[in-house]
Amino acid sequence: GAGVSQSPSNKVTEKGKDVELRCDPISGHTALYWYRQRLGQGLEFLIYFQGNSAPDKSGLPSDRFSAERTGESVSTLTIQRTQQEDSAVYLCASSLRDRGYSYEQYFGPGTRLTVT
Amino acid sequence: AQSVTQPDIHITVSEGASLELRCNYSYGATPYLFWYVQSPGQGLQLLLKYFSGDTLVQGIKGFEAEFKRSQSSFNLRKPSVHWSDAAEYFCAVGVGVANFGNEKLTFGTGTRLTIIP
Repeated sequence: GAGVSQSPSNKVTEKGKDVELRCDPISGHTALYWYRQRLGQGLEFLIYFQGNSAPDKSGLPSDRFSAERTGESVSTLTIQRTQQEDSAVYLCASSLRDRGYSYEQYFGPGTRLTVT
Repeated sequence: AQSVTQPDIHITVSEGASLELRCNYSYGATPYLFWYVQSPGQGLQLLLKYFSGDTLVQGIKGFEAEFKRSQSSFNLRKPSVHWSDAAEYFCAVGVGVANFGNEKLTFGTGTRLTIIP
């Protein structure tokens, strides 16, 4: 079946502009995650959605970052007034949560964001 | 909070040689442990995972990892590497079943593997 997809694959924006990144999870996966990967570093957790529960936003680095998810489908990560330090690859992942157990996360190819 | 340490930033091995990538974690309860591989220009792919049971787990591409609770380690091994194994490897820890609703993974900073002929 189809994996996690993300769009755009690359985004170049000017400092101060807003950007929207999209994630389409695997169909049927109830959990969705956003991570950020700066050059040469590991993945940094940003936000986690699980079904209709309130999202875990504990990883969002500032109030310029926000994310939404409609039901168990598409999610959008929005970065307002982008800064150069926002340049990174933004990865989305989804997983199946069954009877309280989360299974492994499947990652999309990422969106490479460059802020000039 | 949980944390993961991958002490080796970069490892170089010869094709056909054995490989061990180190991973140490910090977590108070039974962790979920994962190894992911990221090839250039590719997304992360799950190599293997440990949830419970047998502490030696087998994964894809001939990789295995051993969970050692006493050492808080989950090292990745392969008996004979291939040139196609050159990639970035990430160890990750997730909270166990005692903490539903908080399944985000904490990743190490990665180990870059270079294979020489």
